[in-house]
Amino acid sequence: GIQVEQSPPDLILQEGANSTLRCNFSDSVNNLQWFHQNPWGQLINLFYIPSGTKQNGRLSATTVATERYSLLYISSSQTTDSGVYFCAVRVHSGNTPLVFGKGTRLSVIA
Amino acid sequence: ETGVTQSPTHLIKTRGQQVTLRCSSQSGHNTVSWYQQALGQGPQFIFQYYREEENGRGNFPPRFSGLQFPNYSSELNVNALELDDSALYLCASSSRQNLYEQYFGPGTRLTVT
Repeated sequence: GIQVEQSPPDLILQEGANSTLRCNFSDSVNNLQWFHQNPWGQLINLFYIPSGTKQNGRLSATTVATERYSLLYISSSQTTDSGVYFCAVRVHSGNTPLVFGKGTRLSVIA
Repeated sequence: ETGVTQSPTHLIKTRGQQVTLRCSSQSGHNTVSWYQQALGQGPQFIFQYYREEENGRGNFPPRFSGLQFPNYSSELNVNALELDDSALYLCASSSRQNLYEQYFGPGTRLTVT
């Protein structure tokens, strides 16, 4: 099956710093989502981005489908950004499931 | 808030027991998927329900079963619990029109002792 690799596995930032999280995938996908999992376990949708670039406030994401990677940018990080960031992809269409990477654990310190 | 709710939030069971977890999907969403997330790992797909029928299944044994009701809510049942079943169980809903974007509930944390 498809492999999803995220890097780095862990990241510690000073508040106000910027960061880039990467997601590589081993096959063509028709769906890619970025999620933030807060300390209570809630998975929050950040972006649905099978290709192209999107921005939402301090967060932006870019997916280059032809090169099989996606990047999540966090600017001016805040302590509330702490948690685990997951990339999830779907191969083909219809009822195939989302396949998740192992995540990047981000800690933002004041 | 995604509009997807799950109950209970926490649960402790003994090995060999059975458990039922519940999920209410977001309004307008008719497809429900269940995922298991072990500590330190990403969520893994268990199965998906559409129109009250199983519509896809991951690599989980038959003792993991589910139901979807006419109001699109869903249950996950696990029989003969094992210690390795301890995990966060997540429910996600999506609409048939936009199957590709899933919205997750807060999860049920199951501990098997």
